[in-house]
Amino acid sequence: AQKITQTQPGMFVQEKEAVTLDCTYDTSDQSYGLFWYKQPSSGEMIFLIYQGSYDEQNATEGRYSLNFQKARKSANLVISASQLGDSAMYFCAIYNTGNQFYFGTGTSLTVIP
Amino acid sequence: GAVVSQHPSWVICKSGTSVKIECRSLDFQATTMFWYRQFPKQSLMLMATSNEGSKATYEQGVEKDKFLINHASLTLSTLTVTSAHPEDSSFYICSAPTSGRGRLGGYTFGSGTRLTVV
Repeated sequence: AQKITQTQPGMFVQEKEAVTLDCTYDTSDQSYGLFWYKQPSSGEMIFLIYQGSYDEQNATEGRYSLNFQKARKSANLVISASQLGDSAMYFCAIYNTGNQFYFGTGTSLTVIP
Repeated sequence: GAVVSQHPSWVICKSGTSVKIECRSLDFQATTMFWYRQFPKQSLMLMATSNEGSKATYEQGVEKDKFLINHASLTLSTLTVTSAHPEDSSFYICSAPTSGRGRLGGYTFGSGTRLTVV
């Protein structure tokens, strides 16, 4: 079974500062993918970044980067230069070759002006 | 890019009635559709996986007879909440695997349906 743990229910960050959202996972699969999604109050799920288990380099997408530490089963999201529009729920998710996709409990991020 | 169109965005229904939620894949074929439920301030919980032309696979604890899933075509999957009760009030969201976002593929989500049963 897959398990995703996000230990930070809520986070605050000053505008223009960087913030790290934690995510650890537990899987017995060798091949898997890790995703981060943003969910604003409107409810839509917005894809942010993806990391494959065999990718040697950490994924980056604009202001988003993923700090992937495979041995520690950690996939933290780093948001640089935070903006007010970054305030939202953030979900870490894992996908495996069994075609299953599971989400963590989420972290609520609030950017303070 | 790939889009999953989900309707309705919100619905209010009376207890005991049924509600159908549709998810359509635009510009791509969705052989698989995942259906999730999200209670306020909680994570998305996978309810079931629908596959075109075959029966849906339900997660443990999800009532098959209450949450009817149909995936009759490669572009349409529906979730029907039958005999809805207030405890079924939730945010329902679908997602379909799409290509191009990683070796294991990416996912495109619908915009979600907020169901309120009164």
